[in-house]
Amino acid sequence: GQNIDQPTEMTATEGAIVQINCTYQTSGFNGLFWYQQHAGEAPTFLSYNVLDGLEEKGRFSSFLSRSKGYSYLLLKELQMKDSASYLCAPEMDSNYQLIWGAGTKLIIKP
Amino acid sequence: DAGVTQSPTHLIKTRGQHVTLRCSPISGHKSVSWYQQVLGQGPQFIFQYYEKEERGRGNFPDRFSARQFPNYSSELNVNALLLGDSALYLCASIPGDRPRLDYGYTFGSGTRLTVV
Repeated sequence: GQNIDQPTEMTATEGAIVQINCTYQTSGFNGLFWYQQHAGEAPTFLSYNVLDGLEEKGRFSSFLSRSKGYSYLLLKELQMKDSASYLCAPEMDSNYQLIWGAGTKLIIKP
Repeated sequence: DAGVTQSPTHLIKTRGQHVTLRCSPISGHKSVSWYQQVLGQGPQFIFQYYEKEERGRGNFPDRFSARQFPNYSSELNVNALLLGDSALYLCASIPGDRPRLDYGYTFGSGTRLTVV
């Protein structure tokens, strides 16, 4: 079967750092996406990891461990506009389908 | 450049009716995927098309069908609508048949379908 686990909600302070974890179990795996989704809007692309390790993109970094079925998204220097849902989406290798978690709602407080 | 465009933005239909949703990918993008997103959940994969051929199909009933046209735009059709089909329907596109590390799927703003 396929299973994606992310915390439902997290709270952090403006200017701080937060790590959003994602564990997955999928039958076949190609890579893993992270998307940001503000309420009522479409998801926007943050990162795509295929190899193990950390990928850094400005304030956002994403880590993948294929053997452990684990990924995290690290957000630094948090800003109020970072308040959104963050969705983890492993990609299946059979048909390139993305399997989406329910997302983590991140609340940033001043 | 225009992003992924979807029409209509909102739609209300009655149970048992048929609906057609439309998507125009980013210019030059040849792959289109369709997703259903119920409030509070992540998107669920419905279909992926590349070069007018179906590349992937999710776990949806045969009431759901889609096609891609020579200009790479796409339609999603849903027959015999049920109340449970009420959701946000998202379309996403990529340039080729595979995403790139620095360029994931770009999503449209979606069509909000309400079945009453």
